[in-house]
This record gives sequence, structure tokens and C-alpha cells, in this order.
Amino acid sequence: SQQGEEDPQALSIQEGENATMNCSYKTSINNLQWYRQNSGRGLVHLILIRSNEREKHSGRLRVTLDTSKKSSSLLITASRAADTASYFCATVDTGFQKLVFGTGTRLLVSP
Amino acid sequence: DVKVTQSSRYLVKRTGEKVFLECVQDMDHENMFWYRQDPGLGLRLIYFSYDVKMKEKGDIPEGYSVSREKKERFSLILESASTNQTSMYLCASSLSGFGNQPQHFGDGTRLSIL
Repeated sequence: SQQGEEDPQALSIQEGENATMNCSYKTSINNLQWYRQNSGRGLVHLILIRSNEREKHSGRLRVTLDTSKKSSSLLITASRAADTASYFCATVDTGFQKLVFGTGTRLLVSP
Repeated sequence: DVKVTQSSRYLVKRTGEKVFLECVQDMDHENMFWYRQDPGLGLRLIYFSYDVKMKEKGDIPEGYSVSREKKERFSLILESASTNQTSMYLCASSLSGFGNQPQHFGDGTRLSIL
């Protein structure tokens, strides 16, 4: 029962460029979270944005949330090779309080 | 920093075997979770627990059970392993409040059932 759908499925950029990933979801949410997963490892939490927030920053990361469009975006500025990973959005709906993950965007940053 | 430790990174078992996957967290978190991750399907929740000896079914509990005898330890049990349970298994923990808190993940166990 995937709630979030990331777009694009894969993204390939050069170091120094910005990377933008999008997430769309279907139901009303309590909050939306973004995670990173390096190959063969577990997920690492990046940012949590609540339904009453529109934008949030953490270092080189910027997350926006548009609840009217049921969408979110993750922007990584001045990307580095170390940013190469899969990025997942996860939503918590107002009913069940479970975290439901999308299928992820694979980001490749080339030196 | 929160540390979630899964007992094995790689595991190979045979069909019909009873398989135990162990997970330990060191931050006194109330909630613990087991997911499986398959290509194209993302992460799917198998079971979760919000307290010692408490468990709740997730989206795909069939063929699995769990045990939480101590707060820091959450075990996933494959009662009779089958080849369709070959997957990456991820354990996570969080403070109380479920989705209002970030989840902290272990590095996963890649399980192959032959």
C-alpha cells in the first residue's frame, strides 16, 4: 500500500549541480519524511516536515510541501559524489500513524 | 547517536527452516519495526511493536511472527522459510508517537532462502 510515489525513478547529474526529487501522495497526511539509503545499507532520516509547514532546510537540503497538490520536493544543492544514494519519501497519514514509503529515486552524482 | 544493530548482514537458509532475525537498539525507544525491501516494491511493513510484549501486524505479516521480550530487542521469525521470503530485511526504532518521530534503521539483513 504505497502512499508516496517518487519522480524521477533515476537521476544522473554532475558534481556541483542541484538535484531535485519529487514525491506525490494520495491521502491527507500528518507529516512527510525524507530518507537516504546508500547501497546495501539501512535508511538514514534526513528531514521531517509537518503538514502545517511549507518549507524546511537542513544544510544543503531543502524540502517543500504543498498539501493542496499532495506533493513534496527534495532539493540537494551543490551535489557531491557522496550524495549518490536512493532517496525515499515516507508519509504518515492522519488515520493510521504508520510510515508508508515510496519506491525511491536513485541519484547518481558523477565527479 | 542511535544505534540499531541487526545480528547478520547476510544469511542463507533452506526452505522449511525456522529463521530468526535479531535486532537490538540502544536508545530506549518504545517503537520497533520490521520491514522487507524488494526491488520495485519499496519498503513494506511486516510487524511493529510499541511496547514490550506488544505487537501489531503490518501490511504483510503472513509467514512471519515477532517477539519482543525486552525493550531493546525485537526479533523477526520466519516460521517455515520459503523462497519468496528471500529479501532484504530492515529493522527500525523510534521514540513513542509513531509517525511524529523519525525512524532509525539498522544496516539490514540480506536473507536468501534456497
